[in-house]
Amino acid sequence: NAGVTQTPKFRVLKTGQSMTLLCAQDMNHEYMYWYRQDPGMGLRLIHYSVGEGTTAKGEVPDGYNVSRLKKQNFLLGLESAAPSQTSVYFCASRLLSGANVLTFGAGSRLTVL
Amino acid sequence: QQQVKQSPQSLIVQKGGISIINCAYENTAFDYFPWYQQFPGKGPALLIAIRPDVSEKKEGRFTISFNKSAKQFSLHIMDSQPGDSATYFCAAKNPLGDSNYQLIWGAGTKLIIKP
Repeated sequence: NAGVTQTPKFRVLKTGQSMTLLCAQDMNHEYMYWYRQDPGMGLRLIHYSVGEGTTAKGEVPDGYNVSRLKKQNFLLGLESAAPSQTSVYFCASRLLSGANVLTFGAGSRLTVL
Repeated sequence: QQQVKQSPQSLIVQKGGISIINCAYENTAFDYFPWYQQFPGKGPALLIAIRPDVSEKKEGRFTISFNKSAKQFSLHIMDSQPGDSATYFCAAKNPLGDSNYQLIWGAGTKLIIKP
């Protein structure tokens, strides 16, 4: 049982390049989330999904797109990376019902030059 | 109304001491208050959580104190150990509408326990 797996763990991009971060969970969780973590700013929600085929904007969605074509996968895309998107990105998931517990991945550190 | 304010930003405590981290909120609709612990290079993990119908919850050395009238809650770590050195996040959940799917996060407290 791997939990939440994020790939890649590290990536360096040049301004204007595009990339996709992959989040995979094997716990059959309905809800999935993408956060970014910056020093002194806590966790900020980028986008989230309440089920396969659905996505919604969070607190800081600009410059990002997401897709949830399969229940177990949640993809975060950067179409044209900017230095302001340098951050550590965390994916999380949780069950629809029961204990309100988020399970996080280990993070993906992205640097945009 | 949707904010959770966390303090202090950083905290240094001697081994064996009590670590205290505080959070305050405004929205009385919040119905769930978790604390997450994050070690360097890892994702946050749930440490302990409380609902507003109780004033205190204890799990081992970790205690949440909840003051509904003051709209504040705090994490107390008794007999703090070097292994407790981590970043701690408080959070709150609003059960209404789309907010039900999200947690509102504090900014985090970096805790260092000195041997």
